[in-house]
Amino acid sequence: RKEVEQDPGPFNVPEGATVAFNCTYSNSASQSFFWYRQDCRKEPKLLMSVYSSGNEDGRFTAQLNRASQYISLLIRDSKLSDSATYLCAAGGSQGNLIFGKGTKLSVKP
Amino acid sequence: GAVVSQHPSWVICKSGTSVKIECRSLDFQATTMFWYRQFPKQSLMLMATSNEGSKATYEQGVEKDKFLINHASLTLSTLTVTSAHPEDSSFYICSAGGGLGSYNEQFFGPGTRLTVL
Repeated sequence: RKEVEQDPGPFNVPEGATVAFNCTYSNSASQSFFWYRQDCRKEPKLLMSVYSSGNEDGRFTAQLNRASQYISLLIRDSKLSDSATYLCAAGGSQGNLIFGKGTKLSVKP
Repeated sequence: GAVVSQHPSWVICKSGTSVKIECRSLDFQATTMFWYRQFPKQSLMLMATSNEGSKATYEQGVEKDKFLINHASLTLSTLTVTSAHPEDSSFYICSAGGGLGSYNEQFFGPGTRLTVL
């Protein structure tokens, strides 16, 4: 089983749609979780950290379920500029990050 | 967030040559730097963890004699791909951590795209 697994995608949605990405992790000892956004041929940019209590930043909401070892990202009112690949990451024991393969989102007009 | 630079941003070289990539943390001291590699349509794969002043820790399957890492200061780590071959062509990205935020929070450099002919 891969350490971090994501929905394979791609997700093709119209502008204004709500879209949800899911991610599972295998290491129950992981303490930190993140969502990154990666544009084509660019480095990942931190979108948001994920906390047990859930956190929201504008149109983006992240949730963590430790019991199920599952994290999610919800994007409301999708914009064309949200088109990118979304990577979830779980913290490793050495301070490193373990990334999922990413889910590609394409928002169409 | 903190700023991490990488140089060069892209490089094309002949098979058999060595290529050095620099990663710098510009506005903070990074006790730990990480080197990742990303092939097309694949995820970022951790190659090695580099701690200032000590030897790098390589992930399984990554040849330490081929990918030489030096982390001589708190703001600079270098990755040298020795005797590069076409299969080494990839997007190499460094990141820096050091406890600015949560334990695992990292800041990524813009990446170096290596093409080996």
